[in-house]
Amino acid sequence: GAVVSQHPSRVICKSGTSVKIECRSLDFQATTMFWYRQFPKKSLMLMATSNEGSKATYEQGVEKDKFLINHASLTLSTLTVTSAHPEDSSFYICSALAGGPFSSGANVLTFGAGSRLTVL
Amino acid sequence: QKEVEQDPGPLSVPEGAIVSLNCTYSNSAFQYFMWYRQYSRKGPELLMYTYSSGNKEDGRFTAQVDKSSKYISLFIRDSQPSDSATYLCAMSKYGNKLVFGAGTILRVKS
Repeated sequence: GAVVSQHPSRVICKSGTSVKIECRSLDFQATTMFWYRQFPKKSLMLMATSNEGSKATYEQGVEKDKFLINHASLTLSTLTVTSAHPEDSSFYICSALAGGPFSSGANVLTFGAGSRLTVL
Repeated sequence: QKEVEQDPGPLSVPEGAIVSLNCTYSNSAFQYFMWYRQYSRKGPELLMYTYSSGNKEDGRFTAQVDKSSKYISLFIRDSQPSDSATYLCAMSKYGNKLVFGAGTILRVKS
């Protein structure tokens, strides 16, 4: 089945630095990827939708200048947390969708294993 | 009111019990309904997927969708300690942009 690889799985950084998280679809091409954020014992909150070759669509309340998303190829999307602060500490999870966003039937989302960011 | 409501639990059951997990939702436009299992510090793993109303069975797992009541369920038969995880319901209009429930923590005791 479809596999999504996310790297790094865990990162610790100092406040004020930027951190990049990669999301790769290993055996399929993903025209659309989604980035989620999950707080402890809370559900996944969609941050943005990343479409290959175009700008990401951000959910309400998500700062696009803070969370930079680049989907430069059909197998790679990156999330960069710029000038990270302790409140950005969270579990970030990407998911990938094969095919077009409005294909008939179900395009099942496959999730990466997540990246835990800790900002000191 | 949240779009998707799910009791966070935790739900503790003995091994072998039948587990019932549920979600309610408010958006009648949702057509795709999914259940994901998430182990601690891991990404969600798709368990069951259902389009529109009806039942779907896969091994020990049965998913039910009642669109008239805006209510979905996941049943786990013969529960095992390895089933201990957080179970997230998710739904969407077009099958891509998912709205998740808060997740229910399940603990199956041996």
